Amino acid sequence: EADIYQTPRYLVIGTGKKITLECSQTMGHDKMYWYQQDPGMELHLIHYSYGVNSTEKGDLSSESTVSRIRTEHFPLTLESARPSHTSQYLCASSDVAGTYFGPGTRLLVL
Amino acid sequence: DQQVKQNSPSLSVQEGRISILNCDYTNSMFDYFLWYKKYPAEGPTFLISISSIKDKNEDGRFTVFLNKSAKHLSLHIVPSQPGDSAVYFCAASGGTSYGKLTFGQGTILTVHP
Repeated sequence: EADIYQTPRYLVIGTGKKITLECSQTMGHDKMYWYQQDPGMELHLIHYSYGVNSTEKGDLSSESTVSRIRTEHFPLTLESARPSHTSQYLCASSDVAGTYFGPGTRLLVL
Repeated sequence: DQQVKQNSPSLSVQEGRISILNCDYTNSMFDYFLWYKKYPAEGPTFLISISSIKDKNEDGRFTVFLNKSAKHLSLHIVPSQPGDSAVYFCAASGGTSYGKLTFGQGTILTVHP
């Protein structure tokens, strides 16, 4: 059973606010990821990290930023939220056995 | 450019029968394939995977078949149960980039009692 946690699970926020979505894992995985999923669509990779102080942008362009100061923690930040950022954000970590997802954060920007 | 495609948006099956979910890919660099089950307000749950060196992998009621020449894989669920009703995603990764997954659009499976 994978242990990967995301908070908040749901967030409704106004345009222009700064938000940080938290993600942490207790498995000691070096590799972590953020995926974005709009309803009825596929998941798209927006950020990944292969270890502390390593972050890269994914296949889908995103205005969000990430940091990886500790192995277990991979937060995602939106400096100024907009309605176009409304989506589900899924954090994941992986090892050679597989990729494991957190429960996700559903973000609604009004 | 959709590199992983699930052409059936939905599938309806009777309880106890076989469910077959299909997935096609175009990128020849993909060598590892996974199936996930997902509910709307939750993260994907890993079901089963297969490496390109195999053509079949089985885990309980779930079997994944890989046809590399056709760039096609399928997930068989036997017997199907109402609790299997969810969205199923096919995903692929290539080379050393395991974990960086490319997903299909998903197939909604409904299993009727």
